[in-house]
Amino acid sequence: GAVVSQHPSWVICKSGTSVKIECRSLDFQATTMFWYRQFPKQSLMLMATSNEGSKATYEQGVEKDKFLINHASLTLSTLTVTSAHPEDSSFYICSAWRGTKQETQYFGPGTRLLVL
Amino acid sequence: LAKTTQPISMDSYEGQEVNITCSHNNIATNDYITWYQQFPSQGPRFIIQGYKTKVTNEVASLFIPADRKSSTLSLPRVSLSDTAVYYCLVGDVRGYGGSQGNLIFGKGTKLSVKP
Repeated sequence: GAVVSQHPSWVICKSGTSVKIECRSLDFQATTMFWYRQFPKQSLMLMATSNEGSKATYEQGVEKDKFLINHASLTLSTLTVTSAHPEDSSFYICSAWRGTKQETQYFGPGTRLLVL
Repeated sequence: LAKTTQPISMDSYEGQEVNITCSHNNIATNDYITWYQQFPSQGPRFIIQGYKTKVTNEVASLFIPADRKSSTLSLPRVSLSDTAVYYCLVGDVRGYGGSQGNLIFGKGTKLSVKP
């Protein structure tokens, strides 16, 4: 159990376009979903936290108007990179948390974004 | 802020036991200690989680001393496929958000297993 999927697994887009990444918890309902970004040879950096039906909480330095997060249901969260630029090229990873104290967060496989 | 410190890299040979230690001096009462494994271009994979003493599952053991200021991930008899980056994460998922010091990933330990 505790499987998280992401779609697409990789995407190439032109500068100025918007890209949507989906994160789904396949076999459990996620109280909270998290979005991370990882640059080559670096650690994961938390971008934002989202709860179903609520506005996302963004970490300091992350532009909320550029990285739009929608958590429409307990099994789906989306991250939209608006007006993408080459510096947004990165590996985006989501995770989902069931909501119990002892439960850990489970990560998706990641989405590789390349902006040309 | 439950900052973690791990060795940047470790080398081992197949069949050996590997112990990776993580320091977290200002761990909070509600914080759990979780270890993840990450292969290139993949999301982190949960290995083990603990709060105190010792936890063991089918792939690893986690040793946590009484003061909880450090923890040690033990991988028995590593193989080449265990070559990966290992992250120690300390926090309480309920208190989510980097501004509260939780869910902050450290630099991780790059484990290289040689034949």
